[in-house]
Amino acid sequence: DTEVTQTPKHLVMGMTNKKSLKCEQHMGHRAMYWYKQKAKKPPELMFVYSYEKLSINESVPSRFSPECPNSSLLNLHLHALQPEDSALYLCASSQEGPGLNYGYTFGSGTRLTVV
Amino acid sequence: GEDVEQSLFLSVREGDSSVINCTYTDSSSTYLYWYKQEPGAGLQLLTYIFSNMDMKQDQRLTVLLNKKDKHLSLRIADTQTGDSAIYFCAEIGDKIIFGKGTRLHILP
Repeated sequence: DTEVTQTPKHLVMGMTNKKSLKCEQHMGHRAMYWYKQKAKKPPELMFVYSYEKLSINESVPSRFSPECPNSSLLNLHLHALQPEDSALYLCASSQEGPGLNYGYTFGSGTRLTVV
Repeated sequence: GEDVEQSLFLSVREGDSSVINCTYTDSSSTYLYWYKQEPGAGLQLLTYIFSNMDMKQDQRLTVLLNKKDKHLSLRIADTQTGDSAIYFCAEIGDKIIFGKGTRLHILP
């Protein structure tokens, strides 16, 4: 298995809803990442988990809450989002943590629309 | 500062070669990557090059690296309609830094 799987592929949520995005990989990668991508822009890093510990939080608002239950799973819990949070959310993994120059494998993303 | 520059748009006739250029800033980057993103999809790793290489060829793809000028290019031979996508150059140091992406448009 050489893929990063993200679910759901599409999500529409209201500003008062609570939802979660899920990401899974079975490549034995020890670093996992959440990126946010707005239309026609490159992905922007949100969070990095390295060996199941949060190592980087790029000053992301608290309405986004990441969780890494084990080395294969990464969640992003969403609460009280704003319409401007609508974007493609990409999960990625790499063999080791950031700074070690290994290739990143990206999931297909979750297209989130906040109404 | 950290910045990876790419031209935003490239239009090529089907069957011609496409050349997408990129300049990067961190001379200590060991790996440089090209990702492809089709509409509505995630990023697909196309190819990468080690910084101690000048060129890498992989089927229709040729990557050229000029480390002195910090210039990277991706050549796609015999461009097909399926190559229509956004191509992101990326350098990896402490974190991955993406260029803004080049949208490749294929003319019939």
